Amino acid sequence: GAGVSQSPSNKVTEKGKDVELRCDPISGHTALYWYRQSLGQGLEFLIYFQGNSAPDKSGLPSDRFSAERTGGSVSTLTIQRTQQEDSAVYLCASSSYYGTSGGGRTYNEQFFGPGTRLTVL
Amino acid sequence: DAKTTQPPSMDCAEGRAANLPCNHSTISGNEYVYWYRQIHSQGPQYIIHGLKNNETNEMASLIITEDRKSSTLILPHATLRDTAVYYCILVGQLTFGSGTQLTVLP
Repeated sequence: GAGVSQSPSNKVTEKGKDVELRCDPISGHTALYWYRQSLGQGLEFLIYFQGNSAPDKSGLPSDRFSAERTGGSVSTLTIQRTQQEDSAVYLCASSSYYGTSGGGRTYNEQFFGPGTRLTVL
Repeated sequence: DAKTTQPPSMDCAEGRAANLPCNHSTISGNEYVYWYRQIHSQGPQYIIHGLKNNETNEMASLIITEDRKSSTLILPHATLRDTAVYYCILVGQLTFGSGTQLTVLP
């Protein structure tokens, strides 16, 4: 079946412009995650959705970053007034479940998309 | 904050077993250990996960110590295509950290 897809695969923009990154999760997956990976670094968690709601926005680096998810499916990550330090690969993942159990969080394995490489000039 | 620690890099000869360690001394009783890998320029790929017992699948084996404070991912016969960054994370930990860069040498 189809995996997680992201678009565009590459985006070059000028400093100060707004950008929108799109993620199409695996059909039926209720949980969706956004990560950022700067060159040579590990994955930085940004936000996750359970259905259309985002219980944890703590990873968003500034108020220039926002994300939404509609219909429990497609998600859009928006970066306003882009800065050069926003340049990175933005990865999206989905899983069939994310929730809480016994006071802790639990989820199924995440399936990742190929990422969007954002370059801010 | 990452709850796991891994060595930054390891080498392994092709055809030999690669043993990648991970420390998770603050793991709680109901937290699973997950392993992913990221081949250059690709998104991370799930490998295996476990809670208490050792696990094996077609990709790898996972050995978890009895006190659950550490684990080891074993690639039994490493190939050049296994060169990647390997991440050990705990369920609920949405930060992957820097992982271990495994380089399989010919």
